Amino acid sequence: QVQLVESGGGVVQPGRSLRLSCVDSGFSFSSYGMHWVRQAPGKGLEWVAVISYDGSNEYYADSVKGRFTISRDNSKNTLDLQMSSLRAEDTAVYYCAKDPARYRGPLYYFDSWGQGILVTVSS
Amino acid sequence: DIQMTQSPSSLSASVGDRVTITCQASQDISNYLSWYQQKPGKAPKLLIYDASNLQTGVPSRFSGSGSGTDFTFTINSLQPEDIATYYCQQYDNLPRFGQGTRLEIK
Repeated sequence: QVQLVESGGGVVQPGRSLRLSCVDSGFSFSSYGMHWVRQAPGKGLEWVAVISYDGSNEYYADSVKGRFTISRDNSKNTLDLQMSSLRAEDTAVYYCAKDPARYRGPLYYFDSWGQGILVTVSS
Repeated sequence: DIQMTQSPSSLSASVGDRVTITCQASQDISNYLSWYQQKPGKAPKLLIYDASNLQTGVPSRFSGSGSGTDFTFTINSLQPEDIATYYCQQYDNLPRFGQGTRLEIK
């Protein structure tokens, strides 16, 4: 049973940084690629970033490239998203999500999701 | 970038009805398409992957079809618990979602 729990959200001023974390319990975290997906209030879903199961590859949406960094610590079953130079348009609920592919490159769809964490960028 | 056009944006149907949502890709994505259900205040849930494969544990009244650029998601015999917003998502390229379809009970 996959259980993903996000933390680290809150209110942050434009231009500042924030770090989100996602901890797994219940599956072989180190075997699977992991993603961050976000949803602005009242809006649709937007994929943000992916990291391969072993952390060797990362890819980002154009909207966050150069500002966000995804990372993982397989010894602690944790996934992080370091967000810098935050903008009002980054305000969203951020979900960590599991890729279904095991020990290979991501398939880029999402078979398990965390409950989400709200990030509000406002002065 | 591959654009996904989902329709309708909202629909109202009665319990027991058959409901159909369509999703069109701006270019050929083969069968790299998934469908998600999102209930208010909750995370999305995977229903269908590879255009027509039912995710484990999902009721069989949900189904998907299509390939290339045109895809269909169907709920046979709508149930009250199916009230949600539904999203398609392509994964032929970096992931992109459709705009969503809000489903209400009539």
